[in-house]
Amino acid sequence: EAAVTQSPRNKVAVTGGKVTLSCNQTNNHNNMYWYRQDTGHGLRLIHYSYGAGSTEKGDIPDGYKASRPSQENFSLILELATPSQTSVYFCASGEGTASQNTLYFGAGTRLSVL
Amino acid sequence: GDQVEQSPSALSLHEGTGSALRCNFTTTMRAVQWFQQNSRGSLINLFYLASGTKENGRLKSTFNSKESYSTLHIRDAQLEDSGTYFCAAANTGYQNFYFGKGTSLTVIP
Repeated sequence: EAAVTQSPRNKVAVTGGKVTLSCNQTNNHNNMYWYRQDTGHGLRLIHYSYGAGSTEKGDIPDGYKASRPSQENFSLILELATPSQTSVYFCASGEGTASQNTLYFGAGTRLSVL
Repeated sequence: GDQVEQSPSALSLHEGTGSALRCNFTTTMRAVQWFQQNSRGSLINLFYLASGTKENGRLKSTFNSKESYSTLHIRDAQLEDSGTYFCAAANTGYQNFYFGKGTSLTVIP
Protein backbone atom coordinates (compact mmCIF):
# COMPACT_ATOMS: atom_id res chain seq x y z
CA GLU A 1 0.00 0.00 0.00
CA ALA A 2 1.31 3.41 -1.01
CA ALA A 3 2.29 5.54 1.95
CA VAL A 4 2.72 9.30 2.00
CA THR A 5 3.12 10.95 5.39
CA GLN A 6 2.86 14.67 6.02
CA SER A 7 3.94 16.60 9.09
CA PRO A 8 2.73 18.54 10.90
CA ARG A 9 -0.99 17.84 10.43
CA ASN A 10 -1.92 21.24 11.78
CA LYS A 11 0.13 24.40 12.07
CA VAL A 12 -0.52 27.94 13.26
CA ALA A 13 2.08 30.47 12.15
CA VAL A 14 2.55 34.20 12.51
CA THR A 15 2.78 36.58 9.59
CA GLY A 16 6.41 36.96 8.53
CA GLY A 17 7.49 33.73 10.15
CA LYS A 18 9.12 30.76 8.44
CA VAL A 19 7.12 27.58 7.96
CA THR A 20 8.37 24.21 6.75
CA LEU A 21 5.97 21.47 5.73
CA SER A 22 7.45 18.00 5.41
CA CYS A 23 6.48 15.01 3.32
CA ASN A 24 7.87 11.47 3.33
CA GLN A 25 6.98 8.66 0.93
CA THR A 26 7.88 5.00 1.19
CA ASN A 27 6.77 4.10 -2.36
CA ASN A 28 10.14 4.73 -4.03
CA HIS A 29 8.29 6.99 -6.48
CA ASN A 30 10.25 9.35 -8.67
CA ASN A 31 7.79 12.23 -8.59
CA MET A 32 6.54 14.22 -5.65
CA TYR A 33 4.13 17.15 -5.59
CA TRP A 34 2.84 19.91 -3.33
CA TYR A 35 -0.72 21.17 -3.83
CA ARG A 36 -2.87 23.58 -1.90
CA GLN A 37 -6.64 23.28 -1.64
CA ASP A 38 -8.89 26.29 -1.21
CA THR A 39 -12.65 26.55 -1.47
CA GLY A 40 -13.67 27.35 -5.02
CA HIS A 41 -10.27 26.49 -6.49
CA GLY A 42 -9.89 22.75 -6.20
CA LEU A 43 -6.24 21.69 -5.89
CA ARG A 44 -3.53 23.87 -7.35
CA LEU A 45 0.05 22.77 -7.95
CA ILE A 46 2.76 24.73 -6.12
CA HIS A 47 5.98 22.79 -6.75
CA TYR A 48 6.92 19.33 -7.91
CA SER A 49 10.01 17.18 -8.27
CA TYR A 50 11.22 14.46 -10.61
CA GLY A 51 13.72 13.03 -8.13
CA ALA A 52 16.32 13.83 -5.50
CA GLY A 53 17.88 17.23 -6.08
CA SER A 54 15.23 18.43 -8.52
CA THR A 55 12.46 20.96 -7.95
CA GLU A 56 10.13 22.50 -10.53
CA LYS A 57 7.66 25.37 -10.32
CA GLY A 58 4.02 24.53 -10.61
CA ASP A 59 1.15 26.89 -11.33
CA ILE A 60 1.33 29.03 -8.16
CA PRO A 61 4.96 28.97 -6.88
CA ASP A 62 5.21 32.59 -5.68
CA GLY A 63 5.97 32.79 -1.96
CA TYR A 64 7.00 29.12 -1.76
CA LYS A 65 10.25 27.20 -2.06
CA ALA A 66 10.70 23.45 -2.26
CA SER A 67 13.48 21.05 -1.37
CA ARG A 68 13.98 17.39 -2.39
CA PRO A 69 17.05 16.17 -0.51
CA SER A 70 16.30 12.49 -1.09
CA GLN A 71 13.98 10.17 -2.98
CA GLU A 72 11.79 9.87 0.11
CA ASN A 73 11.52 13.48 1.32
CA PHE A 74 10.04 16.62 -0.19
CA SER A 75 9.60 19.83 1.82
CA LEU A 76 7.62 22.99 1.16
CA ILE A 77 9.07 26.16 2.67
CA LEU A 78 7.32 29.43 3.32
CA GLU A 79 10.14 31.88 4.12
CA LEU A 80 7.85 34.78 5.03
CA ALA A 81 4.37 33.44 5.69
CA THR A 82 1.38 35.62 4.84
CA PRO A 83 -2.33 35.24 5.75
CA SER A 84 -3.09 34.49 2.06
CA GLN A 85 -1.14 31.25 2.49
CA THR A 86 -3.69 29.96 4.99
CA SER A 87 -4.88 26.77 3.32
CA VAL A 88 -4.82 22.99 3.37
CA TYR A 89 -1.64 21.60 1.80
CA PHE A 90 -1.39 18.16 0.25
CA CYS A 91 1.71 16.25 -0.73
CA ALA A 92 1.55 13.46 -3.30
CA SER A 93 3.87 10.97 -4.92
CA GLY A 94 3.67 9.25 -8.30
CA GLU A 95 5.72 6.81 -10.39
CA GLY A 96 6.14 9.42 -13.09
CA THR A 97 6.13 7.04 -16.05
CA ALA A 98 4.15 7.52 -19.26
CA SER A 99 1.96 4.52 -18.59
CA GLN A 100 1.38 5.10 -14.91
CA ASN A 101 1.52 8.19 -12.76
CA THR A 102 -1.23 7.53 -10.24
CA LEU A 103 -0.96 10.15 -7.50
CA TYR A 104 -0.98 8.97 -3.89
CA PHE A 105 -1.80 11.73 -1.44
CA GLY A 106 -0.90 12.36 2.16
CA ALA A 107 -3.55 13.27 4.71
CA GLY A 108 -2.96 17.01 4.37
CA THR A 109 -1.62 19.82 6.56
CA ARG A 110 -3.96 22.55 7.72
CA LEU A 111 -1.99 25.80 7.94
CA SER A 112 -3.31 28.99 9.49
CA VAL A 113 -1.22 32.16 9.20
CA LEU A 114 -2.33 34.84 11.65
CA GLY B 1 -8.42 29.94 -17.87
CA ASP B 2 -9.22 26.58 -16.36
CA GLN B 3 -8.00 23.61 -18.36
CA VAL B 4 -10.27 21.17 -16.57
CA GLU B 5 -13.99 21.93 -16.23
CA GLN B 6 -16.04 19.64 -14.00
CA SER B 7 -19.79 19.28 -13.97
CA PRO B 8 -22.06 19.30 -12.15
CA SER B 9 -20.61 21.23 -9.23
CA ALA B 10 -23.06 19.51 -6.87
CA LEU B 11 -25.25 16.43 -7.12
CA SER B 12 -27.73 14.62 -4.85
CA LEU B 13 -28.59 10.97 -5.40
CA HIS B 14 -30.95 8.64 -3.60
CA GLU B 15 -29.42 5.38 -2.42
CA GLY B 16 -29.52 2.77 -5.15
CA THR B 17 -29.60 5.23 -8.04
CA GLY B 18 -26.78 6.34 -10.30
CA SER B 19 -25.42 9.22 -12.31
CA ALA B 20 -22.45 10.45 -14.31
CA LEU B 21 -19.87 13.09 -13.50
CA ARG B 22 -18.05 14.74 -16.34
CA CYS B 23 -14.80 16.58 -17.00
CA ASN B 24 -14.24 18.59 -20.15
CA PHE B 25 -10.76 19.67 -21.17
CA THR B 26 -9.87 22.87 -23.00
CA THR B 27 -6.61 21.40 -24.33
CA THR B 28 -5.52 17.92 -25.40
CA MET B 29 -4.88 15.73 -22.37
CA ARG B 30 -2.90 12.50 -22.32
CA ALA B 31 -4.01 10.99 -19.05
CA VAL B 32 -6.73 11.51 -16.47
CA GLN B 33 -7.29 10.34 -12.95
CA TRP B 34 -10.28 10.51 -10.63
CA PHE B 35 -10.25 10.97 -6.87
CA GLN B 36 -12.78 10.86 -4.08
CA GLN B 37 -12.25 13.23 -1.14
CA ASN B 38 -14.05 11.79 1.86
CA SER B 39 -15.45 13.47 4.94
CA ARG B 40 -12.05 13.30 6.66
CA GLY B 41 -10.48 15.18 3.78
CA SER B 42 -8.47 12.24 2.47
CA LEU B 43 -7.96 11.98 -1.30
CA ILE B 44 -8.46 8.45 -2.58
CA ASN B 45 -7.44 7.50 -6.07
CA LEU B 46 -10.23 5.80 -8.02
CA PHE B 47 -8.93 5.49 -11.58
CA TYR B 48 -5.94 6.32 -13.76
CA LEU B 49 -6.61 6.23 -17.50
CA ALA B 50 -4.45 6.98 -20.52
CA SER B 51 -7.33 5.91 -22.78
CA GLY B 52 -10.48 3.82 -22.89
CA THR B 53 -12.64 2.60 -20.03
CA LYS B 54 -11.98 1.07 -16.63
CA GLU B 55 -14.45 -0.41 -14.19
CA ASN B 56 -14.18 -1.15 -10.49
CA GLY B 57 -17.25 -2.39 -8.67
CA ARG B 58 -20.00 0.21 -8.94
CA LEU B 59 -17.71 2.75 -10.59
CA LYS B 60 -16.78 3.08 -14.25
CA SER B 61 -14.64 5.71 -15.93
CA THR B 62 -14.05 6.60 -19.55
CA PHE B 63 -11.41 8.85 -21.09
CA ASN B 64 -11.76 10.17 -24.64
CA SER B 65 -8.67 12.20 -25.44
CA LYS B 66 -9.75 12.98 -28.99
CA GLU B 67 -13.05 14.52 -27.85
CA SER B 68 -11.47 16.04 -24.72
CA TYR B 69 -13.61 14.61 -21.95
CA SER B 70 -13.73 12.03 -19.22
CA THR B 71 -16.66 10.63 -17.28
CA LEU B 72 -17.13 8.84 -13.98
CA HIS B 73 -20.28 6.74 -13.68
CA ILE B 74 -21.60 5.74 -10.27
CA ARG B 75 -24.31 3.09 -10.08
CA ASP B 76 -26.28 1.78 -7.07
CA ALA B 77 -25.06 4.70 -4.98
CA GLN B 78 -24.37 4.03 -1.28
CA LEU B 79 -24.14 6.46 1.63
CA GLU B 80 -20.35 6.00 1.77
CA ASP B 81 -20.09 7.35 -1.79
CA SER B 82 -20.83 10.84 -0.45
CA GLY B 83 -17.91 13.24 -0.80
CA THR B 84 -16.26 15.43 -3.37
CA TYR B 85 -15.03 13.92 -6.63
CA PHE B 86 -12.14 15.44 -8.51
CA CYS B 87 -10.73 14.73 -11.90
CA ALA B 88 -7.14 15.64 -12.76
CA ALA B 89 -5.59 15.58 -16.21
CA ALA B 90 -2.10 15.88 -17.67
CA ASN B 91 -1.31 17.35 -21.06
CA THR B 92 2.38 16.79 -21.78
CA GLY B 93 4.76 14.34 -20.17
CA TYR B 94 2.20 12.81 -17.81
CA GLN B 95 3.86 14.72 -14.97
CA ASN B 96 1.80 17.80 -14.15
CA PHE B 97 -1.85 17.09 -13.37
CA TYR B 98 -4.42 19.90 -13.47
CA PHE B 99 -7.38 19.48 -11.17
CA GLY B 100 -10.99 20.42 -11.73
CA LYS B 101 -12.92 22.21 -8.99
CA GLY B 102 -14.78 19.08 -7.99
CA THR B 103 -18.31 17.67 -7.80
CA SER B 104 -19.86 17.50 -4.35
CA LEU B 105 -21.95 14.33 -4.16
CA THR B 106 -24.55 13.72 -1.44
CA VAL B 107 -26.21 10.32 -1.25
CA ILE B 108 -29.60 10.52 0.44
CA PRO B 109 -31.08 7.55 2.35
